[in-house]
Amino acid sequence: DIQMTQSPPTLSASVGDRVTITCRASQTVANWVAWYQQKPGRAPNLLIYKASTLQSGVPSRFSGGGSGTEFTLTIHSLQPDDFATYHCQQYKAYPLTFGGGTKVEI
Amino acid sequence: QLQLQESGPGLVKPSETLSLSCSVSGGSMSEYYWNWIRQPAGKGLEWIGRVYPSGSVVYNPSLESRVAMSVDTSKQQFSLKLTSVTVADTAVYYCARGECAGGNCVFFDYWGQGSQVSVTS
Repeated sequence: DIQMTQSPPTLSASVGDRVTITCRASQTVANWVAWYQQKPGRAPNLLIYKASTLQSGVPSRFSGGGSGTEFTLTIHSLQPDDFATYHCQQYKAYPLTFGGGTKVEI
Repeated sequence: QLQLQESGPGLVKPSETLSLSCSVSGGSMSEYYWNWIRQPAGKGLEWIGRVYPSGSVVYNPSLESRVAMSVDTSKQQFSLKLTSVTVADTAVYYCARGECAGGNCVFFDYWGQGSQVSVTS
């Protein structure tokens, strides 16, 4: 299985900050990575796929980058609605796997 | 707007079978992959498996011996059965649509709200 390791597990930030979350794959996944936002008690919501393609309707302050084994999710100018947990996922190979999540808190 | 809705018992006894269904509305099931994903309380997401409208399935090897998925496109539903459950199977179970845009499959663009399943005697 391809292991996805996110860092940091928790991130403290303030409104207006730029924050970056990193996801490392245990082997190359090319650019087959998606990112999700999850709020407490809710299902995850797709933000980005193919490492850097913004899903329709997602604010442009979210951006994704990377290829191979290292990927980033950046939130430019953090908004109150962005405090949540973020998950990366690889879809290079089955079984599909997720990172452990990064909680962005105030 | 596509909507997915899980249904099934919230409590299952150890060693019994967990059964969930997912109803799909607002769109066709054709040409997409239909998935089950679970999340134990306070933990990360685990992909369980996927079914295609043809009936083709792929399961997570960690659960493969206990999992069965099926699809009924005429009813716009797909289902999950997990046998011989233990307390470790207690989780929120999500159904989700798998998309292949841009090449490889799949990432998840539509999710159900989730169904809490607790394994307890």
